[in-house]
Amino acid sequence: QKEVEQDPGPLSVPEGAIVSLNCTYSNSAFQYFMWYRQYSRKGPELLMYTYSSGNKEDGRFTAQVDKSSKYISLFIRDSQPSDSATYLCAMSGNSGNTPLVFGKGTRLSVIA
Amino acid sequence: GAVVSQHPSRVICKSGTSVKIECRSLDFQATTMFWYRQFPKQSLMLMATSNEGSKATYEQGVEKDKFLINHASLTLSTLTVTSAHPEDSSFYICSARDLTGGWGYTFGSGTRLTVV
Repeated sequence: QKEVEQDPGPLSVPEGAIVSLNCTYSNSAFQYFMWYRQYSRKGPELLMYTYSSGNKEDGRFTAQVDKSSKYISLFIRDSQPSDSATYLCAMSGNSGNTPLVFGKGTRLSVIA
Repeated sequence: GAVVSQHPSRVICKSGTSVKIECRSLDFQATTMFWYRQFPKQSLMLMATSNEGSKATYEQGVEKDKFLINHASLTLSTLTVTSAHPEDSSFYICSARDLTGGWGYTFGSGTRLTVV
């Protein structure tokens, strides 16, 4: 079993839809959970990060972490064509300089 | 916010030559930087962890003599692909964490290497 599992999609939704992206993980030592957006041929851009369990909201984006289920989610409300990208979940342990472990990434297309 | 600058963004080189990729933290000090490789439609794979003033730590299966990493200062890490071959063609990305500014890791814009 991989440390982080993420459905690669592709996922295609109409403009204005609510998008739900998810990852599961197996390592209970993970404490920091992040979502990155990556456009083609660009470096990943940090969207959200969350420590331990809970919810975090930033504009149209909401990140949820359920450590008891080892499950994290990213919700995008009122999706826009500009949201079309690959979304990567990533996580790390509690140490300041441990590398991130990434999911495979989900390719999202928002159709106008 | 924390910014990581990576150069060059794109390079084409002949087989057998070496290519150097630079990664700089512009507004923070990074004692540790990470180097990733990404093949088309795949996720980021960690290659090595670069530590300022000491040897890099390489992931299993990554040849340390082929992918030379130098982290000579708190703001600069370099990755040199030596004797490049076509199978080394990939997207290379560096990352660092500003420990004073939260827990998000910042990524460079990536370097697309094509070996012909």
